Amino acid sequence: DTGVSQDPRHKITKRGQNVTFRCDPISEHNRLYWYRQTLGQGPEFLTYFQNEAQLEKSRLLSDRFSAERPKGSFSTLEIQRTEQGDSAMYLCASSKQGGGYGYTFGSGTRLTVV
Amino acid sequence: GESVGLHLPTLSVQEGDNSIINCAYSNSASDYFIWYKQESGKGPQFIIDIRSNMDKRQGQRVTVLLNKTVKHLSLQIAATQPGDSAVYFCAETGSLAGNMLTFGGGTRLMVKP
Repeated sequence: DTGVSQDPRHKITKRGQNVTFRCDPISEHNRLYWYRQTLGQGPEFLTYFQNEAQLEKSRLLSDRFSAERPKGSFSTLEIQRTEQGDSAMYLCASSKQGGGYGYTFGSGTRLTVV
Repeated sequence: GESVGLHLPTLSVQEGDNSIINCAYSNSASDYFIWYKQESGKGPQFIIDIRSNMDKRQGQRVTVLLNKTVKHLSLQIAATQPGDSAVYFCAETGSLAGNMLTFGGGTRLMVKP
């Protein structure tokens, strides 16, 4: 297992377009998280899945954002009608239930909205 | 609102010296703290953690100190190496926070050869 994998690494999109990011967690991890990070800031929590169930959502996750984890394995994060303020690094992390809070993060998807 | 923050945005040290990175937290319900290292273009990497029932924990070349009285956390790196150059974040969570980590704003550590 090579860790948490995110695709694409970089995405440039025009304002108003929809984008979708994918995260493949570590195979035995049943918990999956999405965070957003802007330049010079710490990551901010967006949402969390345990298996296929989305258990927590931040107020940051507006109705333009949707996340899925249909089979409890990979997850997708979709942003509809992108705005310039959506430009950020989108980080995915995974952990094992009962394994504490020691997430393993992916390298992120850098989104630039022009 | 509750927040986690860092005192110094940039720390420059000489190779071989010890580094100390500080973090203040304000959520008194926090009971678990983690330090992460983030290199350019990469996701945060776990360094060391500490629970609120401890005041010190040591790893390989790293030590985390927790002072609950003043809500202060520090990361000490011994014999700092060029490979330690990165941004360091503290993060906190608590039993009421579920699985959500709250991160501080980061300190950039620059190691001069």
